[in-house]
Amino acid sequence: KAGVTQTPRYLIKTRGQQVTLSCSPISGHRSVSWYQQTPGQGLQFLFEYFSETQRNKGNFPGRFSGRQFSNSRSEMNVSTLELGDSALYLCASSFAGNPDQETQYFGPGTRLLVL
Amino acid sequence: AQSVTQLDSQVPVFEEAPVELRCNYSSSVSVYLFWYVQYPNQGLQLLLKYLSGSTLVKGINGFEAEFNKSQTSFPLRKPSVHISDTAEYFCAVSDGFNKFYFGSGTKLNVKP
Repeated sequence: KAGVTQTPRYLIKTRGQQVTLSCSPISGHRSVSWYQQTPGQGLQFLFEYFSETQRNKGNFPGRFSGRQFSNSRSEMNVSTLELGDSALYLCASSFAGNPDQETQYFGPGTRLLVL
Repeated sequence: AQSVTQLDSQVPVFEEAPVELRCNYSSSVSVYLFWYVQYPNQGLQLLLKYLSGSTLVKGINGFEAEFNKSQTSFPLRKPSVHISDTAEYFCAVSDGFNKFYFGSGTKLNVKP
């Protein structure tokens, strides 16, 4: 079974641009969560989608948005990039939509550098 | 909101020695607790989780953790570490609403 895949793996953007990251969950998984990982702030929860609906959201500004498609693939978009958005963005999927009790499987991440 | 504290940012240890990585959380409600490991340039992998029942939880790669409700702690232990255990370890808590809070991580450096 293929694991969680994220594309692209690396990305360089400049301030003010926007970026879209993609996450393909494990086949059959319907819940996808996104996290931002930085050396200073550690891992922070961005949002979680289940069956194309955003069920939970972390404390990030509205520049961060996401969506989930009918095949459970998810995209995350960041508009008007700031230097502080440089981070590793991780996505995780789980099967039944109850990540608390199901195991979350993480992708390798997309490393975003904002110049 | 929940918060998770990992007091040690780095833990050096010799191979075959025991290790304990500390984790404390703040919560006034029941929580679910997790330990994840992250190897360089990889995502996170679940080591173990506590949902309910026995407070001693055994995970993969010989790791175990013990839930202590009165001290709101969930330390990760391994009786004998290997070089291959060198990685960063994250403690996480969920309050049951599909929202996870992670600690800042502890880098375990196993020396030969």
